[in-house]
Amino acid sequence: QKEVEQNSGPLSVPEGAIASLNCTYSDRGSQSFFWYRQYSGKSPELIMFIYSNGDKEDGRFTAQLNKASQYVSLLIRDSQPSDSATYLCASDNNNDMRFGAGTRLTVKP
Amino acid sequence: DTGVSQDPRHKITKRGQNVTFRCDPISEHNRLYWYRQTLGQGPEFLTYFQNEAQLEKSRLLSDRFSAERPKGSFSTLEIQRTEQGDSAMYLCASSLTGVSEQYFGPGTRLTVT
Repeated sequence: QKEVEQNSGPLSVPEGAIASLNCTYSDRGSQSFFWYRQYSGKSPELIMFIYSNGDKEDGRFTAQLNKASQYVSLLIRDSQPSDSATYLCASDNNNDMRFGAGTRLTVKP
Repeated sequence: DTGVSQDPRHKITKRGQNVTFRCDPISEHNRLYWYRQTLGQGPEFLTYFQNEAQLEKSRLLSDRFSAERPKGSFSTLEIQRTEQGDSAMYLCASSLTGVSEQYFGPGTRLTVT
């Protein structure tokens, strides 16, 4: 079992819709959780991180964390074609960062 | 542009050869991380430096891999006797306070033929 699991996708949503990306983790010692966006052939870019249970909003992005269920999600509101990329979920336990394999998102105009 | 640079950007080598990659972090960042990413997978942690000290190494980092960060500035990652399974993107990241704000470089894509 991988430490961070994501659906590989592809996830396809129409422009303007809400994209919902999900992630589960197995290390209960993980303290912080991250969402990165990675365009094809490029390096990962941090979108946001969360370390407390509940929701955290940043513009069109909302991260949700449920430590009891070991579940992290990312909602992208008003999806744009430029959001089409692979989204990587990651957990951190004292500078030991583990990434999921990523979910490929396609936003269709 | 995040400010982390890596050189070379692409490297093609024959099996059995040694290769060395360089990473230049953002100047004030004292933490430096190396990751490896294969197609369809997320980055896998390889090793971590705080200043010149190598504080952590993944079990993925076999004896053929070695990393250095002399004087706490740039870092090098060397792979000896390359194997086809070493073909991957090698990513470097740097940060000031920890992984929560690490910035990735553009990566070095290694192809072993």
